[in-house]
Amino acid sequence: DVKVTQSSRYLVKRTGEKVFLECVQDMDHENMFWYRQDPGLGLRLIYFSYDVKMKEKGDIPEGYSVSREKKERFSLILESASTNQTSMYLCASSLTSGGAGDTQYFGPGTRLTVL
Amino acid sequence: GQSLEQPSEVTAVEGAIVQINCTYQTSGFYGLSWYQQHDGGAPTFLSYNGLDGLEETGRFSSFLSRSDSYGYLLLQELQMKDSASYFCATYNQAGTALIFGKGTTLSVSS
Repeated sequence: DVKVTQSSRYLVKRTGEKVFLECVQDMDHENMFWYRQDPGLGLRLIYFSYDVKMKEKGDIPEGYSVSREKKERFSLILESASTNQTSMYLCASSLTSGGAGDTQYFGPGTRLTVL
Repeated sequence: GQSLEQPSEVTAVEGAIVQINCTYQTSGFYGLSWYQQHDGGAPTFLSYNGLDGLEETGRFSSFLSRSDSYGYLLLQELQMKDSASYFCATYNQAGTALIFGKGTTLSVSS
């Protein structure tokens, strides 16, 4: 079974703090993704990566950056957290790059609250 | 850009059949996927349609009509455990990442 793990289930941070959300997958997947999920808005793509050290912006990259130094690990960084970044953050991975129909496997999510 | 429209809520009773529709607008098209998410859980893959027609997996079926830019998820013999959010999704223009609809919350009552 594919396993995608995220470093924290719940996180509380202060406005202006630098926040790191970590994601690890154990199935040697090429692609990794970060989404945020908000009520009524569904899942919105923040960033994704199709290879080590490669990254692509999604639909809402503003205020975020990412890092992929190793194939299994994809980090989401909030350089200076703001209250409008309070959300559920979901990491996902998929096997291949550009594979239409390729299943995405999601982690359990990190609920981030910025005070 | 890509956009997907689906109803926000659907209610049904146990044993019934329910259909969740999804219409999409895309610059390129790589098929339509469906994901299920229980409250507090992670989204999990249900089905994928790359070509027109019906795909059946047990009680769940998914349909695609590319000419109509339309698909649906059909859930039969509904059970209480089917109460969840259901998302349709399609790939971005480059075919490298899934873009999701806003989700349909299905409530199944006894």
